[in-house]
Amino acid sequence: SQQGEEDPQALSIQEGENATMNCSYKTSINNLQWYRQNSGRGLVHLILIRSNEREKHSGRLRVTLDTSKKSSSLLITASRAADTASYFCAASGAGSYQLTFGKGTKLSVIP
Amino acid sequence: DGGITQSPKYLFRKEGQNVTLSCEQNLNHDAMYWYRQDPGQGLRLIYYSQIVNDFQKGDIAEGYSVSREKKESFPLTVTSAQKNPTAFYLCASSVRGDGGRDTQYFGPGTRLTVL
Repeated sequence: SQQGEEDPQALSIQEGENATMNCSYKTSINNLQWYRQNSGRGLVHLILIRSNEREKHSGRLRVTLDTSKKSSSLLITASRAADTASYFCAASGAGSYQLTFGKGTKLSVIP
Repeated sequence: DGGITQSPKYLFRKEGQNVTLSCEQNLNHDAMYWYRQDPGQGLRLIYYSQIVNDFQKGDIAEGYSVSREKKESFPLTVTSAQKNPTAFYLCASSVRGDGGRDTQYFGPGTRLTVL
């Protein structure tokens, strides 16, 4: 299984602080994606990082990928209350048509 | 939620009944997917379709069935053979059939409760 495992399971921070979430996976990947889910809603794609990339930025988001450690991290800078949501990593294995999702990190940003 | 719609938002079913969840997309995407999400868990793939009139089982297909007669539509039937159907069901689509390489766009979900 390519399943990603996020860490921590839950994270609570003050508004303005940075939030870091980690993801580990088991075998070789094509790419790794991060998604966000507000409570009771569908998932929204945040960023995709390919296996030959080490870092990507999108606004206040920064994603890193370390294929030697089979891990990725998502950094949200200057967090806002509206960032409160669950964040999932999803791995795509070599030759696979599937994305395999982790269990998510539940982020709470306190105003 | 992009151009993907799911209906209904909430669905209640009695034990022993089949029920069909609707998923429609107007993004002209080739591939569509059905996932199940249980509380505090990630998404698990039920079925996916890379092209019209073709679909494959995902990790937890038992007790579910799908059809893909039109590019825009990918309905999911939860049959009475599914022993624990209460869950949140999410439909997604992607541009190409090699969905793992593509961004997936999700609908708002249907929450199914078996009474």
